[in-house]
Order: sequence, then C-alpha cells, then structure tokens
Amino acid sequence: GAGVSQSPSNKVTEKGKDVELRCDPISGHTALYWYRQSLGQGLEFLIYFQGNSAPDKSGLPSDRFSAERTGGSVSTLTIQRTQQEDSAVYLCASSFGRSYEQYFGPGTRLTVT
Amino acid sequence: QKEVEQNSGPLSVPEGAIASLNCTYSDRGSQSFFWYRQYSGKSPELIMSIYSNGDKEDGRFTAQLNKASQYVSLLIRDSQPSDSATYLCAVNGDGGFKTIFGAGTRLFVKA
Repeated sequence: GAGVSQSPSNKVTEKGKDVELRCDPISGHTALYWYRQSLGQGLEFLIYFQGNSAPDKSGLPSDRFSAERTGGSVSTLTIQRTQQEDSAVYLCASSFGRSYEQYFGPGTRLTVT
Repeated sequence: QKEVEQNSGPLSVPEGAIASLNCTYSDRGSQSFFWYRQYSGKSPELIMSIYSNGDKEDGRFTAQLNKASQYVSLLIRDSQPSDSATYLCAVNGDGGFKTIFGAGTRLFVKA
C-alpha cells in the first residue's frame, strides 16, 4: 500500500519568506508526527496529532512554527518569516493506534538562503 | 528533560560478526522502545519494537530491554555491508505518543 508522502521534496526559500510543508499519512493511521533533522544530527520532535485530541506542540521551537491536520488526515507544517537556522530536513511520520511504531515519509529538505 | 543517549560511533565490525548497539534513557516511566535504521540521505525505517523486559528476535536482529537499568540494545548477527547505516534508538513515555530519539550510532560493516 501507499506509504507516507511529503511535498515538496526540496524547497529553497529566501530568509523572511513563509513556507508550507505537506504530509499525507498512511491511510487509517491515527497519529501523525513532525520532526526536524539538521545535517548530521538526530531527530528533533516538533509536534504530533492523535485522533481528535489536542496536538502536542511542545517541540515547536518558536511561534513562527505552526501545524494543522485537516480531517484527521493531511497535515501542513507552516514556518513563518524563515531564518537560516530553519534549514533542515523536515520529516513526517504516522502510526496506528498505541503501537507507536512510526513510518516515515521521504522528508522535505528546506534551504533558507 | 527526558533524554535518550547513544554512543555516536562509528562502530566498525567485520562482515559476519555481531554488532552490538546500546542505548540508555532517562525517563523511568518509558513503556515503548524502538530501533530505526537510517541510511545516508534517507528517512528512518523501523527495524524493531520492544515493550517488555527481555529479548525479542526478528531474523538477524535481537532487541534487548532492561527497564530496571533503563537500557535497550540491538544485536545484529552475521553483519553485512548492507547493514552499514545509522541506528536510532527511540523511546515513548508512559502512555504517550511523544517519541524521543537518540542521536544515533553509525555502524560500518567491513567486507
């Protein structure tokens, strides 16, 4: 079946511009996660959505970052007024129920110039 | 601050040997534990999950969990060059979906 998809695969933007990253989880998966991975670093948790519960936003690094999940499926991560330190690979994952086993999308590589 | 610690490596083993990867975690209430493999330039993929103390085997992979020592390990038997990757340990807290990842251990398997 189809895995997690993300778009765009690459995004180059100028400092100060806003960007939107999209994630389409595996059908039927109830939980959706966003992570950030800087070059050579581990995964930094940003936010997760689970069913109809309020999202856990505790990992968002600043108020320039926001995310939403519409209809319990597709999610959009928005970064406003991008800064050079936002340059990273943004990974989305989804999981089903309380197995917490996550399946990752291919990521979006964001470069802020 | 809940933490997951891994030796960054690189860990180098000869082909056919056993590779042993270790991970410690700080949150004593953690309930779910995972190992992911990440090839260079690719996204992580799930290898093993373990929820109870003891060993869990899947093919050449064995995950070991010791909650009293807050320690998780991954053994790879008969290591192959294709196993060369970064291995990420991940931990979920008690009843929660939030997952904390370690920084990963780089493994090199020499042919």
